[in-house]
Amino acid sequence: SQTIHQWPATLVQPVGSPLSLECTVEGTSNPNLYWYRQAAGRGLQLLFYSVGIGQISSEVPQNLSASRPQDRQFILSSKKLLLSDSGFYLCAWSLRLAGDSEQYFGPGTRLTVT
Amino acid sequence: SQQGEEDPQALSIQEGENATMNCSYKTSINNLQWYRQNSGRGLVHLILIRSNEREKHSGRLRVTLDTSKKSSSLLITASRAADTASYFCATDAEGAQKLVFGQGTRLTINP
Repeated sequence: SQTIHQWPATLVQPVGSPLSLECTVEGTSNPNLYWYRQAAGRGLQLLFYSVGIGQISSEVPQNLSASRPQDRQFILSSKKLLLSDSGFYLCAWSLRLAGDSEQYFGPGTRLTVT
Repeated sequence: SQQGEEDPQALSIQEGENATMNCSYKTSINNLQWYRQNSGRGLVHLILIRSNEREKHSGRLRVTLDTSKKSSSLLITASRAADTASYFCATDAEGAQKLVFGQGTRLTINP
């Protein structure tokens, strides 16, 4: 069966520090991968998605970046965190294009920028 | 801007009652999906309804879709305390490779 992992589960980082969040998927090949951010009590904002290794689409201009070095690995990074980067970060995968397939979400990373 | 908007934002009912949540969207879609999120957790897919379907059932869940009104509803029958969660609708624009989520409805089931 397929599983999706995210780490770390929680993170407290000072403003201006770098960030690296990792997401890995097991049990499937060539998944579509997604990074979302959720502010407290709000919906999900799509940040990046990837349909293959090295293929990244950015949805929102900001100081975050994403990379997909391996088929089932998706990394969210920042060189210098801002206070506004605080939130709940969720990674997800799907087998087919988003509209034709359900998405499977990881447990999330709670990021607090201080 | 958000494609899907849920209504109400919050709903509190007694255990055993039915819960109805609504979702409105703006553009043509291929499919509409509903997800549940327990506090502090990832989202869990509940049901997908295609644009050519009008109603779909899964256990205690019933979803309807009215493409002429660009709206959908999620009905949870015989609610249980474990149904307490936030519920989100998500839509795609035709041909899009992404879903757009609404703000969600926070459902509280009181024992």
